[in-house]
Amino acid sequence: GAVVSQHPSWVICKSGTSVKIECRSLDFQATTMFWYRQFPKQSLMLMATSNEGSKATYEQGVEKDKFLINHASLTLSTLTVTSAHPEDSSFYICSASAGPAVNQPQHFGDGTRLSIL
Amino acid sequence: SQKIEQNSEALNIQEGKTATLTCNYTNYSPAYLQWYRQDPGRGPVFLLLIRENEKEKRKERLKVTFDTTLKQSLFHITASQPADSATYLCALGGGTGGFKTIFGAGTRLFVKA
Repeated sequence: GAVVSQHPSWVICKSGTSVKIECRSLDFQATTMFWYRQFPKQSLMLMATSNEGSKATYEQGVEKDKFLINHASLTLSTLTVTSAHPEDSSFYICSASAGPAVNQPQHFGDGTRLSIL
Repeated sequence: SQKIEQNSEALNIQEGKTATLTCNYTNYSPAYLQWYRQDPGRGPVFLLLIRENEKEKRKERLKVTFDTTLKQSLFHITASQPADSATYLCALGGGTGGFKTIFGAGTRLFVKA
């Protein structure tokens, strides 16, 4: 149980392109979804927290106009990297939680490797 | 600022031995602590959660301790197997950190056959 599917797993595109990443909870309703960025051998850096039906809460330093997050249903959240540039290249991972409580485990997707040329 | 420290050096152990990983934290009083496993190119997988009022928790070959005085958690894998080789992340949340969960950078474990 508690499966999270993230798509696509790998994207290579030209600078200036917008890229959409989908995160779906397959067998549970995700009240809260999280988007992270991870650099090699570094910890997960939280970018934003989204609750179904409301605006995402972005972490300090994360541009909300650059990283658009939509959480339209209890099973789907999307992250759109707008006008991506090489410095946006990274491993992006989503996670979902079945409840709002801070002591709920997070269930992660398998990440999206984004490479901007 | 809140800081989580996990040993950045890889841990190499022989199959059958007990692996012990350490997670230390500073400037923080979390309400709970979690351990995750991450394989290369994959997302983390939840393993165990322990609350601040719990000293120890076990699940099959896994054991986690949580010492709020030392501000430290130990993660043990007994009778380790090559399949246990992965990066293990600790994560803290709640308490003085509010609603966020903060992840450590992880420790890479290699179990040799």
